[in-house]
Amino acid sequence: QSALTQPASVSGSLGQSITISCTGTSSDVGKYKYVSWYQHHPGKAPKVIIYDVNNRPSGISNRFSGSKSGNTASLTISGLQAEDEADYYCLSYTTINTWVFGGGTKLAVL
Amino acid sequence: QVQLQESGPGLVKPSETLSLTCGVSGASMSSGYCWGWIRQPPGKGLEWIGSMYYSGKSFYNPSLKSRVSISLDTSRSQFSLILNSMTAADTAVYFCARRVEGSSNIDYWGQGTLVTVFS
Repeated sequence: QSALTQPASVSGSLGQSITISCTGTSSDVGKYKYVSWYQHHPGKAPKVIIYDVNNRPSGISNRFSGSKSGNTASLTISGLQAEDEADYYCLSYTTINTWVFGGGTKLAVL
Repeated sequence: QVQLQESGPGLVKPSETLSLTCGVSGASMSSGYCWGWIRQPPGKGLEWIGSMYYSGKSFYNPSLKSRVSISLDTSRSQFSLILNSMTAADTAVYFCARRVEGSSNIDYWGQGTLVTVFS
């Protein structure tokens, strides 16, 4: 199975909004509502910020939001803060009962 | 509070078998959750290795399926990863994690343990 496609890097200024895309196929992202997003600061454990396309776990800021259209899921971060600088990964369920991650996106906050 | 902690060797020789264990504290390994492993090679992204349900049903990454096995020991609150025929390409930080069944929510992760394949 191939990794989902994410941009290698995105950047935004403090207070701005950015969107990270995650493109799969009709056998994964396009077929199921089971898409989640993880924030990963190197050296730490990844943290879930969005699950099942657009659900935020308890304790996650409402500055984080998720959506999906066709084979592409998106993560939007509004009101960028310095601590948002991290790597972000999407994850999707697949038709062969497996899970596949995106290649990861490095977010730089300018 | 739920905590997961990986344990195992930091160095493995080529062709040998890797065995990692994940200790679970703060929660029972009851139904409703799926227990699995994820890895991250140096400088690369996350890769799903596989997972096992409380029922014992397991699923694995097709690229690793012939070499990998996951098992649960609910009586000892731990689960394990076996990866055979290790090569340099298996050098990575290995994370254990819990996913909520029926959801894409991997809600708890271990801190990760670096495994280096080195001759």
